[in-house]
Amino acid sequence: NAGVTQTPKFQVLKTGQSMTLQCAQDMNHNSMYWYRQDPGMGLRLIYYSASEGTTDKGEVPNGYNVSRLNKREFSLRLESAAPSQTSVYFCASSENRGYTFGSGTRLTVV
Amino acid sequence: DQQVKQNSPSLSVQEGRISILNCDYTNSMFDYFLWYKKYPAEGPTFLISISSIKDKNEDGRFTVFLNKSAKHLSLHIVPSQPGDSAVYFCAAIPRGSSNTGKLIFGQGTTLQVKP
Repeated sequence: NAGVTQTPKFQVLKTGQSMTLQCAQDMNHNSMYWYRQDPGMGLRLIYYSASEGTTDKGEVPNGYNVSRLNKREFSLRLESAAPSQTSVYFCASSENRGYTFGSGTRLTVV
Repeated sequence: DQQVKQNSPSLSVQEGRISILNCDYTNSMFDYFLWYKKYPAEGPTFLISISSIKDKNEDGRFTVFLNKSAKHLSLHIVPSQPGDSAVYFCAAIPRGSSNTGKLIFGQGTTLQVKP
């Protein structure tokens, strides 16, 4: 049982480049989330999807877009990466207050 | 504006002793609280939770206490073990958002348990 799988694990981008972070869960959870973790800030919610076909902004959505492709997959896109988006990104899914996190994507924008 | 605060960035305790990690919140609308543990290069993993209608929840070596009047919760680990060394995050769910999750995290506290 894989839980929540994120790809890639590491990525270095140049300023202005675009990329998509992939996330898939195999627990049949309705809700999925993207968080970023920065030193001294904890985890902050970027976007979430309460169910297939719906997405909503979280605390720090600027510079990001998301797609809930189906119930399993929730991707995060950076259209024009900026150094301020250097962070560790975590995808999570939940059902009835039970949350499972992926192992993270460490993104560096130079 | 940090709604969930962990004011101690780090804590060091001796193996076998009690570890107490603290968390304060400012929003009275939180109705569920969770603690997560995170090792380097891994995602957070669930540790223990408590509903706002309770003041204590215990699971093995881990106990969470909730003081609603002080808007404070704490995690007690007894006895502490070297394998407990990790970053601990306090998180809260606002009332009415249980279906969507939207965990609000504190900044985290790094616990080091010395052998």
